[in-house]
Amino acid sequence: GESVGLHLPTLSVQEGDNSIINCAYSNSASDYFIWYKQESGKGPQFIIDIRSNMDKRQGQRVTVLLNKTVKHLSLQIAATQPGDSAVYFCAETRNSGNTPLVFGKGTRLSVIA
Amino acid sequence: IAGITQAPTSQILAAGRRMTLRCTQDMRHNAMYWYRQDLGLGLRLIHYSNTAGTTGKGEVPDGYSVSRANTDDFPLTLASAVPSQTSVYFCASSAGTKLGQFFGPGTRLTVL
Repeated sequence: GESVGLHLPTLSVQEGDNSIINCAYSNSASDYFIWYKQESGKGPQFIIDIRSNMDKRQGQRVTVLLNKTVKHLSLQIAATQPGDSAVYFCAETRNSGNTPLVFGKGTRLSVIA
Repeated sequence: IAGITQAPTSQILAAGRRMTLRCTQDMRHNAMYWYRQDLGLGLRLIHYSNTAGTTGKGEVPDGYSVSRANTDDFPLTLASAVPSQTSVYFCASSAGTKLGQFFGPGTRLTVL
């Protein structure tokens, strides 16, 4: 069935290295995607979004890549820092119109100092 | 108020009791949402409201009700709490349904 999922539930990265967090979606009608960061004890925090008419979008130290052919979304974090340690969620809208976002289950990123 | 606030921060509740979780935003966002977050299940949408005066059901609406009398407030009510409703509840808002959502700090609810 339709799903928003993540390839890896946990990811450990050395401080200073780049991190790549992946997300797969199954509905080709999905046209808007968001990455969120959630630190322990806090609510999710918006990081970056991308629409389906784009393949790549860059923010501060973060890049989101969208591959519509294979229905794959990734979040790249450059020069990972201890403060990047958190759970990262991807989210999508599955249809046009006013359909709320659907979240994946999350990937925990641990930064090793 | 700056952003979204939720109250209470945490609550322990006896099964069968009625409970209302409060959510207020001051960003004049049209859309508001309630999620529950459980370990291993991620964020699941309970109810949403695209604009004041309208509400819709999310993925897990049973046992919950909402109202949206105005733009700023979106309370979530558990009419008769059950232990399976033990969770962390997050309220969120967005300027539109195609825009990023801003989340509140959450309410940790324990139903005994």
